[in-house]
Amino acid sequence: GAVVSQHPSRVICKSGTSVKIECRSLDFQATTMFWYRQFPKKSLMLMATSNEGSKATYEQGVEKDKFLINHASLTLSTLTVTSAHPEDSSFYICSARAPGLAEETQYFGPGTRLLVL
Amino acid sequence: GENVEQHPSTLSVQEGDSAVIKCTYSDSASNYFPWYKQELGKGPQLIIDIRSNVGEKKDQRIAVTLNKTAKHFSLHITETQPEDSAVYFCAATRQAGTALIFGKGTTLSVSS
Repeated sequence: GAVVSQHPSRVICKSGTSVKIECRSLDFQATTMFWYRQFPKKSLMLMATSNEGSKATYEQGVEKDKFLINHASLTLSTLTVTSAHPEDSSFYICSARAPGLAEETQYFGPGTRLLVL
Repeated sequence: GENVEQHPSTLSVQEGDSAVIKCTYSDSASNYFPWYKQELGKGPQLIIDIRSNVGEKKDQRIAVTLNKTAKHFSLHITETQPEDSAVYFCAATRQAGTALIFGKGTTLSVSS
């Protein structure tokens, strides 16, 4: 149980385009999802906390107009990288918290590798 | 805010040996400490976690110990196998639903 999926797994896009990444909790309802960014051989950097039905809370230094987050249902959160540039190339990972299970436990998706040309 | 330090950054062991990774945290209010294993190109996988009301937890070859007074916790892997090779992250959080604060990771290499 507690499976989180992400789509797409890899995406290559041209500079200036927007890319949407989906994060789904497959077998549980997630009231809270988190979006992380990870550079090669680095740790996970929290970008934002996404709560179902409300606006996301962004970490300091993360542009909310650049990284649009929508958590429209209890099983889906989306991250849209708007007007992507090469410096946005990274590994984006979501995680979900499952209420009803151990509340603190977070389950991670497999990640989405974004390459902006 | 919380700060998590993790050591060592790299660890090489022979198959069958034990591996120990240590983390320290700064926020005395933190009460949940998970460990994740991340293989190349994949998302982190929860392997074990511990809450502040216990000092040790074990799951087969993996164990975690917590010293709240000293604010450090450790991951112990016994009888290591090549498939244990991965990057391991420790994390801490102070309450349910808040984001995890991660250590910088330890790259474990198990050679046969």
